[in-house]
Amino acid sequence: DAEITQSPRHKITETGRQVTLACHQTWNHNNMFWYRQDLGHGLRLIHYSYGVHDTNKGEVSDGYSVSRSNTEDLPLTLESAASSQTSVYFCASSDKFIAGELFFGEGSRLTVL
Amino acid sequence: KQEVTQIPAALSVPEGENLVLNCSFTDSAIYNLQWFRQDPGKGLTSLLLIQSSQREQTSGRLNASLDKSSGRSTLYIAASQPGDSATYLCAVPGPETSGSRLTFGEGTQLTVNP
Repeated sequence: DAEITQSPRHKITETGRQVTLACHQTWNHNNMFWYRQDLGHGLRLIHYSYGVHDTNKGEVSDGYSVSRSNTEDLPLTLESAASSQTSVYFCASSDKFIAGELFFGEGSRLTVL
Repeated sequence: KQEVTQIPAALSVPEGENLVLNCSFTDSAIYNLQWFRQDPGKGLTSLLLIQSSQREQTSGRLNASLDKSSGRSTLYIAASQPGDSATYLCAVPGPETSGSRLTFGEGTQLTVNP
């Protein structure tokens, strides 16, 4: 079955370190998204991509970057981790550009000390 | 800017009860609305996707309705079971230029007691 996997599932890091969260999907979807989920804020969009070499900023993109070198992967990088980036991160993909159904990974819980 | 609100934030019911979860959105120019389920420590699972041209969508004991003009959707769960305990989120895409980006509500945390 097609799926979307995230790694690591749990990570603890220190302030100032670079962290990369991986996202791999086997749906062959062009559209991929990164969200963070925080109590009191719900799910907020960080970055998204509509195809290889395409990346776009979401509503909370400061301090994060993504790159899309192939269809399957959209890694999320925290250039210099901050305590405010402690959160649960979800990767998602969609088959359609407009209003497609979204499929989510299991999430990556990141703690920045 | 699209805003999505879900009421109530939490709901506790006895097993077997029928229940309704509410979702409202501020911008009615949507293509569809999606309902998700999230179990603790897990990702989101898509439950129902209701297109703007539809008024209802059903899957098993779940029924979602959509009223674009009033900016509202409801998720009806029939004969609730303890296994239905989870957080339920609704989400809508933005205008056409925003593609499949979704704006989420904060969810309703449902507890079904045996």
